[in-house]
Amino acid sequence: EVQLVESGGDLVQPGRSLRLSCAASGFSFNDYAMHWVRQAPGRGLEWVSGINWSGSSKGFADSVKGRFTISRDNARNSLYLQMSSLRVEDTALYYCVKDVSQVTGYFDYWGHGTLVTVAS
Amino acid sequence: QLVLTQSPSASASLGASVKLTCTLSSGHASHAIAWHQQQPEKGPRYLMKVNRDGSHNKGDGIPDRFSGSSSGAERYLIISRLQSEDEADYYCQTWGSGIHVVFGGGTKLTVL
Repeated sequence: EVQLVESGGDLVQPGRSLRLSCAASGFSFNDYAMHWVRQAPGRGLEWVSGINWSGSSKGFADSVKGRFTISRDNARNSLYLQMSSLRVEDTALYYCVKDVSQVTGYFDYWGHGTLVTVAS
Repeated sequence: QLVLTQSPSASASLGASVKLTCTLSSGHASHAIAWHQQQPEKGPRYLMKVNRDGSHNKGDGIPDRFSGSSSGAERYLIISRLQSEDEADYYCQTWGSGIHVVFGGGTKLTVL
């Protein structure tokens, strides 16, 4: 059974940093691209960032480019999102998502999310 | 620019059928898309991929009541024999070159 378990969400002040983690199990983690998708309160889904199977290729939404970085540790079956210079508008539930492809395709499994709240 | 457009809301009666639409932006009519369902207070769940030719690949455990089709730049999610648990937000998703993903704005389905 595929499981994606996010952690690291917290209440932080604007301008601070936070690191999210996602522990994956139930599939061959190093065969698939992975992504972070967020959902602000009462809003729709927004793709944040993705990384290919090896970690050699990454992509970011314009809203987070230059502030967020994505990485993975295939030996630990883990995905990470390093968020810096956080803004109030980054407040959202952040989902870890599995891709069907090694690079980018569609998503077939979602985690339950971890909540990030940016407020002073 | 790759954009997906969805109507904000839709409604249909219990036991009836409904067709939700996701429209690809100009120049991207050949793209496949995926449909995801988000029930109230829950995380999203993958439903199916819909290809340009209307063929579709459903996720694990998705009932036969859910199907997909295509026409031109439009991709459809058809739900038959509507049940109360089908009341949810439905999002379409596609992908571009490199690491780039796009979501539609979502359609809120109300089951009357």
